[in-house]
Amino acid sequence: GAVVSQHPSWVICKSGTSVKIECRSLDFQATTMFWYRQFPKQSLMLMATSNEGSKATYEQGVEKDKFLINHASLTLSTLTVTSAHPEDSSFYICSAPRRDSNQPQHFGDGTRLSIL
Amino acid sequence: QKEVEQDPGPLSVPEGAIVSLNCTYSNSAFQYFMWYRQYSRKGPELLMYTYSSGNKEDGRFTAQVDKSSKYISLFIRDSQPSDSATYLCAMTETSGSRLTFGEGTQLTVNP
Repeated sequence: GAVVSQHPSWVICKSGTSVKIECRSLDFQATTMFWYRQFPKQSLMLMATSNEGSKATYEQGVEKDKFLINHASLTLSTLTVTSAHPEDSSFYICSAPRRDSNQPQHFGDGTRLSIL
Repeated sequence: QKEVEQDPGPLSVPEGAIVSLNCTYSNSAFQYFMWYRQYSRKGPELLMYTYSSGNKEDGRFTAQVDKSSKYISLFIRDSQPSDSATYLCAMTETSGSRLTFGEGTQLTVNP
């Protein structure tokens, strides 16, 4: 079964709306979670690294004020797309490695964001 | 030059064929190598996970890592239409750290 849960799976909203996406590790603790963005027929592009209890680390070119990340607990990270516009429409995916483990990362099922 | 190179395809094969997917990389510090399968509008699903060089087999899937050549492969035997998806190679220096992905290879298995 899924070990990383992402919600919602699909959201459609009007331009100017802020949208929150949740990423939960279901049966393990994750001090770090990763947020990716994926355009059609392209690979995953890392946006930011979410760190429990501290500020996220953003990749070059990613607007911190546009994509707010909060990692408030060892099982939950949230990505908020603030004042979303049509160009923010994309597929957003999170992943989480198990804390203190050599096991590989598992991914959420992604959130399809459509801004009208 | 990209850190990880993967032929994006598309690759189309008949059902039952053996499929070979490959990635090359330039960072010799990579130690963990993964293959993910991604269906349309879904998150990547882990298929194979290998540490350092060697082979690993799981059912119809075999992963090979040759660190001396900086080359990894995924073989799919007796391919099925349900194997039609995009296959992403990924690698990292230390477990739990950020992954570096290939571009992904789009595979279609025709019945």
